[in-house]
Amino acid sequence: DMKVTQMPRYLIKRMGENVLLECGQDMSHETMYWYRQDPGLGLQLIYISYDVDSNSEGDIPKGYRVSRKKREHFSLILDSAKTNQTSVYFCASSPGNNNQAPLFGEGTRLSVL
Amino acid sequence: GDSVTQTEGPVTLSEGTSLTVNCSYETKQYPTLFWYVQYPGEGPQLLFKVPKANEKGSNRGFEATYNKEATSFHLQKASVQESDSAVYYCALSTLMGYKLTFGTGTSLLVDP
Repeated sequence: DMKVTQMPRYLIKRMGENVLLECGQDMSHETMYWYRQDPGLGLQLIYISYDVDSNSEGDIPKGYRVSRKKREHFSLILDSAKTNQTSVYFCASSPGNNNQAPLFGEGTRLSVL
Repeated sequence: GDSVTQTEGPVTLSEGTSLTVNCSYETKQYPTLFWYVQYPGEGPQLLFKVPKANEKGSNRGFEATYNKEATSFHLQKASVQESDSAVYYCALSTLMGYKLTFGTGTSLLVDP
């Protein structure tokens, strides 16, 4: 069953703590994405990964970094989280050409207090 | 860079009425266009895509035509149902980096 799995689904952190959001896919997709979703702003691209260790900044990369050491796994890291990083984060994957619609996970709701 | 502009919500309709959500886009590349739908507590899911200009995509009674001249991709449905209540996103991707650019979303509420 084709699926993108995000862990955890809900997370509460204090300002200044480090945050690790994890994403996995079982389709051997080359391309993976991290987006954040905020009211009135829609989905904004944070990072895109074209394969293992081949990552590129999206539109709002500041305050985030990513890691992709295996094709099926893509992590989003917030070093010293800020309150304005409270959001819903979505991971997605696609086979790696622009004709294929990315498949999204169910999201991680992060609150930074 | 690429951009997508769509109807601001929320949009409230009565069951059985027609829906149009406007979407226009800007890109210097040749795009593939998508409509996604998102239900509460879930991630966006593909409604349909149209990779070629002047072609129509459709699914579950929703349809949209990729109008290259007008740079538009409006979503339409002739008769909405309560179960269509969701947020709808217009999006595009191009060969430059496979980045998927979304509009800000249109929230639809259908009253029974």
